[in-house]
Amino acid sequence: GAVVSQHPSWVICKSGTSVKIECRSLDFQATTMFWYRQFPKQSLMLMATSNEGSKATYEQGVEKDKFLINHASLTLSTLTVTSAHPEDSSFYICSAVSGYTDTQYFGPGTRLTVL
Amino acid sequence: QKEVEQDPGPLSVPEGAIVSLNCTYSNSAFQYFMWYRQYSRKGPELLMYTYSSGNKEDGRFTAQVDKSSKYISLFIRDSQPSDSATYLCAMRQISSGSARQLTFGSGTQLTVLP
Repeated sequence: GAVVSQHPSWVICKSGTSVKIECRSLDFQATTMFWYRQFPKQSLMLMATSNEGSKATYEQGVEKDKFLINHASLTLSTLTVTSAHPEDSSFYICSAVSGYTDTQYFGPGTRLTVL
Repeated sequence: QKEVEQDPGPLSVPEGAIVSLNCTYSNSAFQYFMWYRQYSRKGPELLMYTYSSGNKEDGRFTAQVDKSSKYISLFIRDSQPSDSATYLCAMRQISSGSARQLTFGSGTQLTVLP
């Protein structure tokens, strides 16, 4: 089956630093990837849609200058949380759309803790 | 009103029971329907994917879609403790591009007791 990886799986950083999270589709090409945020016991909240070779589309209320998204290749998208603060602590999940099956497959998630 | 409503649970059943998980939706443009399973602190895992009304079976799992009633269900037969997780229904429109975005239910937390 389609596999999506995320790195790192868990990161702890100091307030004010930037953190980069990678999302890779391992065995398929993905022209579209999505980034979600999830708080405990809540459903996934879509942050942005990442299309290869173009600017990401952000959902209302998501600061594009704070959450920088780059989709440089058909298998890699990155999310950089700039000047992170404790309120940015959350579980970040990416997904990739298989062009073959047109189905969204999710990564294992990255837990970000900002001290 | 949310576009997708899902019974929040939590739901607790004994091992071997049949589990029924349900979602209703209001947007008739939704044509693809999915069920994801999410274990604690993990990403969602695709369980079932269907686009037509009727039943689709895969092992112990059966997905049911009734487009006329805007109602989807996931049935789990012979439930096991390893099925304990949060189950998310998700759906989207047919079009490509941004319409590939999924609209999720709020999730149902299931616990299967040994």
